[in-house]
Amino acid sequence: GAGVSQSPSNKVTEKGKDVELRCDPISGHTALYWYRQSLGQGLEFLIYFQGNSAPDKSGLPSDRFSAERTGGSVSTLTIQRTQQEDSAVYLCASSFERLGQYFGPGTRLLVL
Amino acid sequence: AQRVTQPEKLLSVFKGAPVELKCNYSYSGSPELFWYVQYSRQRLQLLLRHISRESIKGFTADLNKGETSFHLKKPFAQEEDSAMYYCALSGGDTGRRALTFGSGTRLQVQP
Repeated sequence: GAGVSQSPSNKVTEKGKDVELRCDPISGHTALYWYRQSLGQGLEFLIYFQGNSAPDKSGLPSDRFSAERTGGSVSTLTIQRTQQEDSAVYLCASSFERLGQYFGPGTRLLVL
Repeated sequence: AQRVTQPEKLLSVFKGAPVELKCNYSYSGSPELFWYVQYSRQRLQLLLRHISRESIKGFTADLNKGETSFHLKKPFAQEEDSAMYYCALSGGDTGRRALTFGSGTRLQVQP
């Protein structure tokens, strides 16, 4: 079946602009996660959704980062007033119960 | 705090040689351990879960609670095993669901 999809695959933006990243999880997966992968920091957790609620937002690095999930499906990660240190690959994953997380291809964000 | 340590950044072996990718963890409870693999220009893929005790592509991993380790092993490496391997931990039935990743080990299998 279809895996996790993310859009856009690449995003180049100017410092100070807002960006929105989208994730479509595997159908039926109730849990959705956002991570980011950067050279200096490795793979870091950002936020976890169970259904439409976010019981764990502990990884969001600042209040410029926010995320929402609607209909227990699609999620959007928004970064306001982007900074150069936000440049990274943003990964989305979904899971059903605790059977392992399945990752999307990522969105590569470059902030100039 | 939970932590995953992969001490080797790069492991280079010849085809047919045994492989062991090391992973140690720190967690005050009963964690769930995973191995993920990322082939060149591909997405992260789930390789193994410790609760399944499975063998995928010839790889196995055993959770050793005494040594807090979850090393990944394969008896005979193949060139197509060349990839980045990440060990990851989550908090088990009552713990944190988010994955904590190690820094990864790049496996190079030479012909």
